[in-house]
Amino acid sequence: DQQVKQNSPSLSVQEGRISILNCDYTNSMFDYFLWYKKYPAEGPTFLISISSIKDKNEDGRFTVFLNKSAKHLSLHIVPSQPGDSAVYFCADIQSNNTDKLIFGTGTRLQVFP
Amino acid sequence: KAGVTQTPRYLIKTRGQQVTLSCSPISGHRSVSWYQQTPGQGLQFLFEYFSETQRNKGNFPGRFSGRQFSNSRSEMNVSTLELGDSALYLCASGAEGNTGELFFGEGSRLTVL
Repeated sequence: DQQVKQNSPSLSVQEGRISILNCDYTNSMFDYFLWYKKYPAEGPTFLISISSIKDKNEDGRFTVFLNKSAKHLSLHIVPSQPGDSAVYFCADIQSNNTDKLIFGTGTRLQVFP
Repeated sequence: KAGVTQTPRYLIKTRGQQVTLSCSPISGHRSVSWYQQTPGQGLQFLFEYFSETQRNKGNFPGRFSGRQFSNSRSEMNVSTLELGDSALYLCASGAEGNTGELFFGEGSRLTVL
């Protein structure tokens, strides 16, 4: 079965420091991963993605790293800001002809001043 | 450009009743997906529709059904409601139908008493 796991339910980081959120996967069909951010009372918002042809993708303060041999990806936020406080979900897309996502259980990030 | 609109935002039902939730995707988007979010299970995939055809279905009982109309608007229905159906139901639309880069609505919060 295709699974995505986020083993840390929460993370607390000081403003200005680096936040590192981790995600492990099994049996990925398509090796294309995405990160979503979710604030309370809102729907998730797409943040950044990465495909298997890359091991790193960067967008401003957000960088996602993919280690295919370890079946592990991580999201780095540098520098962290209080507005980054939210729940972060990693997701695996099922195939190349669908939008179906398998989500992890999420990591709640709190950035304090 | 209007975002994904879900109605109703909140509703309360009793066990045994049925409910219909509505989703209007972003104009021009042909892919519509539904997800259930609960505290214990995270974001669970329900269905995916593309050009009025159900392309994928998650592991939910037959009480959960959906459809997509020619204007890409979608509805999902849950019959014979159970207490465990209490959740946030999220609709998402996608432009290409195969990237996983989805735009989510704010969700419909269903409470079953």
